[in-house]
Amino acid sequence: AQTVTQSQPEMSVQEAETVTLSCTYDTSESNYYLFWYKQPPSRQMILVIRQEAYKQQNATENRFSVNFQKAAKSFSLKISDSQLGDTAMYFCAFMKHGGSGTYKYIFGTGTRLKVLA
Amino acid sequence: GAVVSQHPSRVICKSGTSVKIECRSLDFQATTMFWYRQFPKQSLMLMATSNEGSKATYEQGVEKDKFLINHASLTLSTLTVTSAHPEDSSFYICSALRQGAPTEAFFGQGTRLTVV
Repeated sequence: AQTVTQSQPEMSVQEAETVTLSCTYDTSESNYYLFWYKQPPSRQMILVIRQEAYKQQNATENRFSVNFQKAAKSFSLKISDSQLGDTAMYFCAFMKHGGSGTYKYIFGTGTRLKVLA
Repeated sequence: GAVVSQHPSRVICKSGTSVKIECRSLDFQATTMFWYRQFPKQSLMLMATSNEGSKATYEQGVEKDKFLINHASLTLSTLTVTSAHPEDSSFYICSALRQGAPTEAFFGQGTRLTVV
C-alpha cells in the first residue's frame, strides 16, 4: 500500500525568507505523480506544484520548487521569498497511475505553515 | 477550465436521516472521482474511488452501506450518507480526474455536514 509521510506538523518562517517542507512516500510503483497542495482557511485545495516520477528534472513554479529524490522516495517543497499569503496548511499527495483505469490519490498528514511579518 | 462544483457547501440534518452530496465536473468529463473526509486540522482521508458506470472502490474501514457512492455519468458523482449520526459530522471533499489526461485531480469546494 502507498503511504505519504510529512514529519513536520508545524513550521514558521519570516517573511521574505526561504522554507523547506519535507515529504516522504512509500510505493512499489514506477509510474506515479507527486503533488504539493495548499489549503487556506477556506479549505479549497489549491495545487502548488506537480512532479511526474519519470521526469528527473525538479519541477518549479515561480517561488515554489521541489527536490525530488526518487531513489530515496523524498519530495520536499521549497518556498522562496515567503509571503504572508503563503500561510496555510500544505499537503503532499501521491497519485498512483493504475492499470485498467484505476487510480489512487492519497495525502500526507499535512504541515501547517505560518509566515511571520 | 477544469472546474469541479460540489453541492451543497453546508448542510445540517437530523440524526437518522440521509443526505446527498453532489460532485460535478462542469467543463470536462471525469472517469474517476475521489471522495475524502477531513476532520478539523487533519488530513484528507480517502474514503472511496468511483469510476463512471462501475461500483465504487472503498478504502478499508469505510462502510459502503453507510456511504453510498454513485457515479452514473461522466460529470456527476454523488455521496449519500445514510442514517446519519452526529459522528458522521465532518468536512467532505470530492475531486475528479479528467478523462484522457489524468495528470492531476481537480477539487470541489467541500461540504460541511453537521448532524444534530
